[in-house]
Amino acid sequence: GNSVTQMEGPVTLSEEAFLTINCTYTATGYPSLFWYVQYPGEGLQLLLKATKADDKGSNKGFEATYRKETTSFHLEKGSVQVSDSAVYFCAQRPAGGTSYGKLTFGQGTILTVHP
Amino acid sequence: DAGVIQSPRHEVTEMGQEVTLRCKPISGHNSLFWYRQTMMRGLELLIYFNNNVPIDDSGMPEDRFSAKMPNASFSTLKIQPSEPRDSAVYFCASSPRGGYYEQYFGPGTRLTVT
Repeated sequence: GNSVTQMEGPVTLSEEAFLTINCTYTATGYPSLFWYVQYPGEGLQLLLKATKADDKGSNKGFEATYRKETTSFHLEKGSVQVSDSAVYFCAQRPAGGTSYGKLTFGQGTILTVHP
Repeated sequence: DAGVIQSPRHEVTEMGQEVTLRCKPISGHNSLFWYRQTMMRGLELLIYFNNNVPIDDSGMPEDRFSAKMPNASFSTLKIQPSEPRDSAVYFCASSPRGGYYEQYFGPGTRLTVT
């Protein structure tokens, strides 16, 4: 079945460091891919998305590129801030079928950024 | 817009009691999702509705769990009887256009069953 695997955390960085959080997926066909972020005590919020191969999603300095050949959607940011401390979830949604609205999430990666 | 509204935000109950969690989706959204989040199992989809009809309930753990959506602006998730292993944060999310677009999450209900 469809699944999403994220790099294990937690990830601890100093402010202004470069961030990469790896995400790979298994799926039938070509799913849409997402990164969601969860701040402490809150629900998840969409950070960025890509709906087809080679698409790059970007938002708030974060980027991720849909790589069909490696079935990956790694999240990157060139210079993290303390305010980026949160839990990051990679997710996929099927391209079609009766459950096309269904998201499958990775296990989440905790990011802590120190001043 | 008020966003997705969930109530209560926190619930503490004793094993064996009935628990009802409530959700009001964003107006105009026709898809609604119930998720459960735990440290051990991460974020799991329990059930989702399109136009008030359950589309996929394969994630509902067992018969103790039931969900309803009597109209477009309200849904409930009921656990009866509750057990300590049901302790988790339960999220409701809604989405327009059958879930094709972004899902908007509520703040969650933290359930503790003692």
